[in-house]
Amino acid sequence: DAGVIQSPRHEVTEMGQEVTLRCKPISGHDYLFWYRQTMMRGLELLIYFNNNVPIDDSGMPEDRFSAKMPNASFSTLKIQPSEPRDSAVYFCASSALGLVGPQHFGDGTRLSIL
Amino acid sequence: SQELEQSPQSLIVQEGKNLTINCTSSKTLYGLYWYKQKYGEGLIFLMMLQKGGEEKSHEKITAKLDEKKQQSSLHITASQPSHAGIYLCGADNPNSGYALNFGKGTSLLVTP
Repeated sequence: DAGVIQSPRHEVTEMGQEVTLRCKPISGHDYLFWYRQTMMRGLELLIYFNNNVPIDDSGMPEDRFSAKMPNASFSTLKIQPSEPRDSAVYFCASSALGLVGPQHFGDGTRLSIL
Repeated sequence: SQELEQSPQSLIVQEGKNLTINCTSSKTLYGLYWYKQKYGEGLIFLMMLQKGGEEKSHEKITAKLDEKKQQSSLHITASQPSHAGIYLCGADNPNSGYALNFGKGTSLLVTP
């Protein structure tokens, strides 16, 4: 079975540009999570969806960040405008058991904002 | 909010040696997850513990959740180079509405 698929794997862009990260969860999983990982702060939850509906976005750092899940097989995390402090590895994860149960992670998108 | 502290932050062991990684929570743990992350890759689920005193094993890795449910340990027996990576503990917190809180990880290097 295919795991969680994220694209792109690497993104380098200039400050002020719009960045869109993409995620395809495992088929049949009804929870989808977006995390950000940095050396200083570790792995932080940004937002999660249940059945395509955002449930908790209190981890989203500011209004420059937005996430959507138009259908069960696709989600995007958008940063507009991007800033150097947004540089991090962004992970998407999905699960079938929601908040109690293992989450399956993608390989992440390494984002560098110059 | 719940905080998870992992110790040690990093570890270098010789192949064949045993090692233990600890994860301590500031609040009661309702569900504790161990993940392994290889450098440059995503997290791979290892084990989940929910009951105080619970112990689970997978190959040479054993994880325990203490009776008071505020600490978990991960023990690797006869370490191998394939065990190298970053080990993270994650925890459910049903009161916060968040999915998982994670510790900052323990970086493990196994030398020949």
